Order: sequence, then structure tokens, then C-alpha cells
Amino acid sequence: GAGVSQSPSNKVTEKGKDVELRCDPISGHTALYWYRQRLGQGLEFLIYFQGNSAPDKSGLPSDRFSAERTGESVSTLTIQRTQQEDSAVYLCASSRIPTSPSQDTQYFGPGTRLTVL
Amino acid sequence: AQSVTQLGSHVSVSEGALVLLRCNYSSSVPPYLFWYVQYPNQGLQLLLKYTSAATLVKGINGFEAEFKKSETSFHLTKPSAHMSDAAEYFCAVIPGGGTSYGKLTFGQGTILTVHP
Repeated sequence: GAGVSQSPSNKVTEKGKDVELRCDPISGHTALYWYRQRLGQGLEFLIYFQGNSAPDKSGLPSDRFSAERTGESVSTLTIQRTQQEDSAVYLCASSRIPTSPSQDTQYFGPGTRLTVL
Repeated sequence: AQSVTQLGSHVSVSEGALVLLRCNYSSSVPPYLFWYVQYPNQGLQLLLKYTSAATLVKGINGFEAEFKKSETSFHLTKPSAHMSDAAEYFCAVIPGGGTSYGKLTFGQGTILTVHP
């Protein structure tokens, strides 16, 4: 079956522009996560969706970052007025049973590499 | 707060040699622990996870990890390295004690290089 997909795979933008990153989770997965991986660093949690609500947005770095999700489907991460420090790989993951970590597995997409010039 | 420390940002081994990647966590309650692998230009893939069922966990591709509460460690090992094991490895944690969802906290990653 299809895994988690993300688009675009690469995005180059100029400082100050807005960008939208898309994530298509595995069908039937209620939970969706966004993470950021900056060069030479581990992954940082950004936001968690349960269905189309976001009970944890604590990882969003600033109010320039926002995300939404349509039902239990596509999610879009939007970065407004991009800065050079936003350059990173943005990874999306989805899972089926987030309330039971022992039974659940997060499946990751290939990521979107964002470069802000 | 949960944290994960991976000792050694780069590890280099010869093909056929033992692989040992170190991970220590900080938590007052035994957490759920994970090892993920990231091959170049690919997403993360789960290697194995500890969920309190057994302290020695076997994963894919011949990897295993042992949960040691006394040492707060979850080191990843493989008896004999293959060239195909070259990748970046991440240790991650989800808090234990009735967590509500699977927010992962990752270590900094260890790049494994395998020499012929």
C-alpha cells in the first residue's frame, strides 16, 4: 500500500516569501505529526494532529508557522515570510493508534527539503 | 522533560565488525524507546522499539537493542556490519506513564560509516 507522501520534495525560495508544504498520510491513520530536521541536528517536533484538530502545537517555532489538516487526510504546513533559519528538511509522519505507543508505529514520509536564500 | 543523548555523531566500522551505537535517556518513568534509520534521501524507517515487554529487543536487518534501566541506556548493536548499514541512526523516546499520544523526542543522530 502507499506510504506517507510529501510534496514538493525540494523547495527553494527567497527570504520573505511564503511557502506551503503538503503531507498525504497513510489512509486510515488518525494521527499526523510534523517534524523539522535542520542540518546536523536531530528532528524537532512541530505539531500533532488528531483528526483535523491540533491538540499540541507546542513545537511551532513562531507565529510565522501554521498548519491545518482536512479531516483525517491531507495536511499543509505553511511558513510565512520565510527566513534563512527556516531552511531544513520538513518531515511528516502518520500513525494509527497514537494513544497506545506500544502498539503504534509512526511512518515517515521522505520529507521536503526547504532552502531559503 | 524527556531527553535523549546519542554519544558519537559519527561512528566508523569495518565490514564484518561489531556495530555499537549509544543512546541514553533521561526520565523518571521508563519511557518507550525507539531506533530509527535514515538512508540518504529517504524518510525514517523504524528499526525496533522498546515497550516494556522485553528488555532485549530484536529489530529488522539484524539489529537489536537492550534496555538497561540502571544505566538509562538503550544502545543499538549488530554483530556484523554490512556495507548496506551505512546510514544515519536516530534514537527517540515517548514518555511513559500514561502518555496521551506518540510525540517523539529524538537524539542528535549518529552517522554510521562502514569500510570495506
